[in-house]
Amino acid sequence: NAGVTQTPKFRVLKTGQSMTLLCAQDMNHEYMYWYRQDPGMGLRLIHYSVGEGTTAKGEVPDGYNVSRLKKQNFLLGLESAAPSQTSVYFCASNFYRRNTEAFFGQGTRLTVV
Amino acid sequence: DQQVKQNSPSLSVQEGRISILNCDYTNSMFDYFLWYKKYPAEGPTFLISISSIKDKNEDGRFTVFLNKSAKHLSLHIVPSQPGDSAVYFCAASDSNFGNEKLTFGTGTRLTIIP
Repeated sequence: NAGVTQTPKFRVLKTGQSMTLLCAQDMNHEYMYWYRQDPGMGLRLIHYSVGEGTTAKGEVPDGYNVSRLKKQNFLLGLESAAPSQTSVYFCASNFYRRNTEAFFGQGTRLTVV
Repeated sequence: DQQVKQNSPSLSVQEGRISILNCDYTNSMFDYFLWYKKYPAEGPTFLISISSIKDKNEDGRFTVFLNKSAKHLSLHIVPSQPGDSAVYFCAASDSNFGNEKLTFGTGTRLTIIP
């Protein structure tokens, strides 16, 4: 009963490097999200997807790209990491129906030096 | 533009007493509200929710109150227990199909004092 799983849990990047964060859910959810959490800022939506093959921008999309090639996976990419992208990243998913809660992964702590 | 606001960054409450966490919102299209609890190094977990057609929802020690005219909701925890020490996030959504993404507040760190 895995729920939402994020890989990796921790990562340190140098400025300019690229990486991909993987989110996998086994609940057959249509919707998936990527959030970042920063001190004093709460959780801010980066990108989201309403189904396989679809993506949309959230509140803070700049510097990130996403892909949803399979329904169970949602990838978040950083093409050229910047120190401002140091944050804790959370993936979430939920069903496509009204009034339903989202389930979150355990988070990825990313540090860009 | 913060559409969901939690104006108290932290709150300390004696064990056994009532904890009241507050949340204000500005977007009148929000019609579904949730509270999430977050422990350090873990993802947020769903606690309780309320639809805008209600003004109260209870689940054990947790009650959420919604005042639509004031655009205000609150979470009451009675009695407070040490395990309730966590960061609590208020979240809101416009639940019309295709627009269910959540907007979060900045969180309130609740500390229960034994």
